[in-house]
Amino acid sequence: GQNIDQPTEMTATEGAIVQINCTYQTSGFNGLFWYQQHAGEAPTFLSYNVLDGLEEKGRFSSFLSRSKGYSYLLLKELQMKDSASYLCAVDGGATNKLIFGTGTLLAVQP
Amino acid sequence: SQTIHQWPATLVQPVGSPLSLECTVEGTSNPNLYWYRQAAGRGLQLLFYSVGIGQISSEVPQNLSASRPQDRQFILSSKKLLLSDSGFYLCAWSGSYEQYFGPGTRLTVT
Repeated sequence: GQNIDQPTEMTATEGAIVQINCTYQTSGFNGLFWYQQHAGEAPTFLSYNVLDGLEEKGRFSSFLSRSKGYSYLLLKELQMKDSASYLCAVDGGATNKLIFGTGTLLAVQP
Repeated sequence: SQTIHQWPATLVQPVGSPLSLECTVEGTSNPNLYWYRQAAGRGLQLLFYSVGIGQISSEVPQNLSASRPQDRQFILSSKKLLLSDSGFYLCAWSGSYEQYFGPGTRLTVT
């Protein structure tokens, strides 16, 4: 079956670093995506990993290990505006169909 | 640049009434198009996807249907809404790999 797991909630402090983990089991794999979703808004694309390793984009980095079915999103120098849900999604292979996890709600505290 | 539009932004409909949500994409040709639903506190569920005009694939059995009458137009419909149809409906398009979401329609069925 298709399964994506991520923690439901996390709390971190402004200025700190937080790592949000995602594990997946899917029948196919064409890449893993991270999206940010603020309350009441649509998800916005953050990162894409298709090969093993770390992809860095400013304060955000994403890591992938295909053999372990594991990814994480690393947020550095946290800001209050980073409080949002972070969605992990896997492209199962056909027609760019994404399978989404339920998301991790991150609360950044002063 | 590409833009995706959805309307209406919010909708309150009684049980048993019909539904029509529209999504249009600008700035790209022959995109893959998707309809997702996000129930309160839940992840995104893929409802329909389309790789071209008149080509619709359904992911889950339900009382909803989708149509793609033009290359950049995607419509979600129902003949009779159920209470369980309440949620946040998101349209998305993809060109290469990542998906980009429209602003969404928040539907409340009363």
